[in-house]
Amino acid sequence: ETAVFQTPNYHVTQVGNEVSFNCKQTLGHDTMYWYKQDSKKLLKIMFSYNNKQLIVNETVPRRFSPQSSDKAHLNLRIKSVEPEDSAVYLCASSLRGANTGQLYFGEGSKLTVL
Amino acid sequence: AQKVTQTQTSISVMEKTTVTMDCVYETQDSSYFLFWYKQTASGEIVFLIRQDSYKKENATVGHYSLNFQKPKSSIGLIITATQIEDSAVYFCAMREGSNNAGAKLTFGGGTRLTVRP
Repeated sequence: ETAVFQTPNYHVTQVGNEVSFNCKQTLGHDTMYWYKQDSKKLLKIMFSYNNKQLIVNETVPRRFSPQSSDKAHLNLRIKSVEPEDSAVYLCASSLRGANTGQLYFGEGSKLTVL
Repeated sequence: AQKVTQTQTSISVMEKTTVTMDCVYETQDSSYFLFWYKQTASGEIVFLIRQDSYKKENATVGHYSLNFQKPKSSIGLIITATQIEDSAVYFCAMREGSNNAGAKLTFGGGTRLTVRP
């Protein structure tokens, strides 16, 4: 049963537009992540938040910015999309300090940039 | 820096047989955690099984088991009695042993498994 919810699941837009993806988890976890999955299925972490604090910020273009209002929500904004931003963006959550790395993923938000 | 490599891009097997998917990793840490995840055709990614580096016994969950060979930095996933619904992309992942909440999972490139009737 899904407990990490992402919206929208699909989005098609033009180069230069702004896009936002929303993520909410109902598991009571305190750490949330954004991963990018490209067309070759490669999964790479972009950001990680713990209790609204940014703790991991991989090398991503500055047009990407995460936003967290509380530990259950983590949004991703892309200011001016580029063609290479076409991908599936996956939100995930986990418990800090569990030292397990067991992530719970959302269904993904597929972005297509024309 | 940690690295996870899955050399098999795709595997096809007959139903009810056993399949092994390979994964090798690189890390400087003496303590780390290894995982396998499954991504179904719908795109859903679910956790399957985990191996802690300090444990010698191979993990087993249902019809999934691991072949952990620490000297070879290898963590193979074994699926016995495969079923059609096991068809998916399987990802190997590693988390280094820092207790920092920022410790992140590094994923391999995935292996696509097709189970034929």
